[in-house]
Amino acid sequence: QKEVEQNSGPLSVPEGAIASLNCTYSDRGSQSFFWYRQYSGKSPELIMSIYSNGDKEDGRFTAQLNKASQYVSLLIRDSQPSDSATYLCAVKPRSGAGSYQLTFGKGTKLSVIP
Amino acid sequence: DAEITQSPRHKITETGRQVTLACHQTWNHNNMFWYRQDLGHGLRLIHYSYGVHDTNKGEVSDGYSVSRSNTEDLPLTLESAASSQTSVYFCASSAGPTQPQHFGDGTRLSIL
Repeated sequence: QKEVEQNSGPLSVPEGAIASLNCTYSDRGSQSFFWYRQYSGKSPELIMSIYSNGDKEDGRFTAQLNKASQYVSLLIRDSQPSDSATYLCAVKPRSGAGSYQLTFGKGTKLSVIP
Repeated sequence: DAEITQSPRHKITETGRQVTLACHQTWNHNNMFWYRQDLGHGLRLIHYSYGVHDTNKGEVSDGYSVSRSNTEDLPLTLESAASSQTSVYFCASSAGPTQPQHFGDGTRLSIL
């Protein structure tokens, strides 16, 4: 059973601080990793993709991947109230049957306090 | 711009009725997916398709069916709606095995 684990939160941070969201996964052969943002009552929206070990930065967002530790994280710098949402971690397993599927974590709810 | 649209956005129906939720994408993606999202469970895969005439069962496929007659559409049918199928349903599509999935706006389905 492939699993993706996230702390459900809520994670509360003050405006302007760094928010750190974490995700662990069980399938060691996983190849692709995605972070989605979901506002209440809305659909998931892709914000970051990462495929290799290390950091990937896009504006205020940085995704970090450590395949040896089976760990992926999302950092949000200069957090804004508009960042308040649930963040979903999604993992694509190794190649083979069902390899187009994603396994989603249950999400971490982030609240940025003005 | 390419997009993925779901209809209806909201639906209320009665137990035992057949319900079909529509999903239409203009990305020309071969891969399409249906999920349901419930509190405490996150997104769970119902059915998916890798191309025309291809359909596969996901984690929670009982009571649901799909058909893929063209690239653009993957309708989801609840053969005999049950109250346990009250949920928010999302359709998604992707271009390939390493590519992310893009989601429609969802359908909120209530079964009374």
